[in-house]
Amino acid sequence: DAKTTQPTSMDCAEGRAANLPCNHSTISGNEYVYWYRQIHSQGPQYIIHGLKNNETNEMASLIITEDRKSSTLILPHATLRDTAVYYCIVGGQAGTALIFGKGTTLSVSS
Amino acid sequence: SQTIHQWPATLVQPVGSPLSLECTVEGTSNPNLYWYRQAAGRGLQLLFYSVGIGQISSEVPQNLSASRPQDRQFILSSKKLLLSDSGFYLCAWSGQGDTIYFGEGSWLTVV
Repeated sequence: DAKTTQPTSMDCAEGRAANLPCNHSTISGNEYVYWYRQIHSQGPQYIIHGLKNNETNEMASLIITEDRKSSTLILPHATLRDTAVYYCIVGGQAGTALIFGKGTTLSVSS
Repeated sequence: SQTIHQWPATLVQPVGSPLSLECTVEGTSNPNLYWYRQAAGRGLQLLFYSVGIGQISSEVPQNLSASRPQDRQFILSSKKLLLSDSGFYLCAWSGQGDTIYFGEGSWLTVV
């Protein structure tokens, strides 16, 4: 079973920041938090991952709470092309098999 | 750069027929390889993963099998397909201690 809890769906206006929450209260000390997204009929796309510190790349920012029991993926300026299912996953050392949950369906509208 | 190829992209097979989906990775050596399945309207289910040639771990017992005949080749097979085998099959790879990257997937419809 997936070790994370995410809202089923969220809406966001184009140009605004999209903040996607994830709870992972049973995360262990050596497990990473990964975020992927999947646009219909395509393979999941890697977005970002982190262990303890906040991370930022060209796609998004990842904010992990100090107790590591929850995190937030931030898309700073959502576009229509960001409409997708977003998966938050916790897993062991990078490279081990990841177990996906049902994710959050993000709908970005103009 | 590393790339992953998966084929065929789509196929329609009758119940009871065999299946072979192939996946290859280029630009890396000794990758970890994975097969996932996504049934209609559902999340991704891990089927098999492999950390080396001939080393296959099965996550879910079912009508499918996997093989890794070469370092960068991963094959998903079935001897007799069931209707419930229909879905979107995804191959993925990762380097040692690295993020998992997915291919574009194969749509299988069993009729």
